[in-house]
Amino acid sequence: EDQVTQSPEALRLQEGESSSLNCSYTVSGLRGLFWYRQDPGKGPEFLFTLYSAGEEKEKERLKATLTKKESFLHITAPKPEDSATYLCAVQEGRRNDMRFGAGTRLTVKP
Amino acid sequence: IAGITQAPTSQILAAGRRMTLRCTQDMRHNAMYWYRQDLGLGLRLIHYSNTAGTTGKGEVPDGYSVSRANTDDFPLTLASAVPSQTSVYFCASSTGSWNEQFFGPGTRLTVL
Repeated sequence: EDQVTQSPEALRLQEGESSSLNCSYTVSGLRGLFWYRQDPGKGPEFLFTLYSAGEEKEKERLKATLTKKESFLHITAPKPEDSATYLCAVQEGRRNDMRFGAGTRLTVKP
Repeated sequence: IAGITQAPTSQILAAGRRMTLRCTQDMRHNAMYWYRQDLGLGLRLIHYSNTAGTTGKGEVPDGYSVSRANTDDFPLTLASAVPSQTSVYFCASSTGSWNEQFFGPGTRLTVL
């Protein structure tokens, strides 16, 4: 069965302490891998789409990378405003739907 | 302001009642989706529509129905609500069925 697994479930960082979030997937024919940010009580906000192994995308303190089996969201020198739940989702070529992981809840302490 | 609106924001509903969650987008996106989000399970697709006049079943469609009479609106109906349908419901849209999706603010539904 196709699966999307995110780790860790929760991550607490000090401001300025860089780290990475992981998204591993088991789908055949990956069409795209998506990263979203979700703040409490709000809908997910789109961050990145990655389409092929080796691809990287950057936005401010965030950088997303993709291999054939997993994606990493690297957070460099995070700030408290980066605190949120980060979701990854995969889209398989033969399917219409997007499969989401359960998310990583990131807390950045000042 | 372009985007997706959902109504109501929250609702408490007695089991067995019928309920329609509303979703409207003004981005002229072709595809629309309904998800439910439960703690520890992430977002799960209920139904989708690739274009006006067509709909399809997602991962958890039982107990829900949708219609897509026009491009902008995609209502989700619970014919006879049950407590297991207590969840936060998100509507989303995208320009095409394989592009990034944009989400509404959500509807928090409690079925007692």
